[in-house]
Amino acid sequence: DTGVSQDPRHKITKRGQNVTFRCDPISEHNRLYWYRQTLGQGPEFLTYFQNEAQLEKSRLLSDRFSAERPKGSFSTLEIQRTEQGDSAMYLCASIRAGGTDTQYFGPGTRLTVL
Amino acid sequence: ELKVEQNPLFLSMQEGKNYTIYCNYSTTSDRLYWYRQDPGKSLESLFVLLSNGAVKQEGRLMASLDTKARLSTLHITAAVHDLSATYFCAVSNTGNQFYFGTGTSLTVIP
Repeated sequence: DTGVSQDPRHKITKRGQNVTFRCDPISEHNRLYWYRQTLGQGPEFLTYFQNEAQLEKSRLLSDRFSAERPKGSFSTLEIQRTEQGDSAMYLCASIRAGGTDTQYFGPGTRLTVL
Repeated sequence: ELKVEQNPLFLSMQEGKNYTIYCNYSTTSDRLYWYRQDPGKSLESLFVLLSNGAVKQEGRLMASLDTKARLSTLHITAAVHDLSATYFCAVSNTGNQFYFGTGTSLTVIP
């Protein structure tokens, strides 16, 4: 257990529905990342926050995806109008300021879109 | 976009043998990370390599970095079954985005 938690751990939804995932990073970590991982691939960067500011988003991230970190603590990732291609593991990671940029990953949320 | 390639993608090795996993990346980066992922689990940090020539060792794993060649290696010494997992390398460009390789799936056979 790295200290990063994610909820839910599994989500099954029907195509077209909206889903929201939550990530709680380690409390003193100011940077928070979201990744998507599909079977047999490495994590793919989606977006990241420094405190409450969303500083970068992947160009691959469609407009259906949005993320927030309202008070610089927990973060949410919402996917609107889900598609089957959204099925993946969604990982959250946090980084402590002033360190070596080692990422501490949460257990992930596995999304299945039927 | 920074590209990260690992090879081999799949590695099956006998217990007690040695082997090396390679990680090549496409543009300048002075930090390289190795992570381990067990099936169905999340990623666990193994090593952070912060400069050219850096070498880190933990148990049967040793990682090194050659920034001029844009190459990192993860050497496995006298493999044991517990090392079976998928190993990822990752690099950052400005320290903000991280790019992961496709992973090397290691199976250690008794």
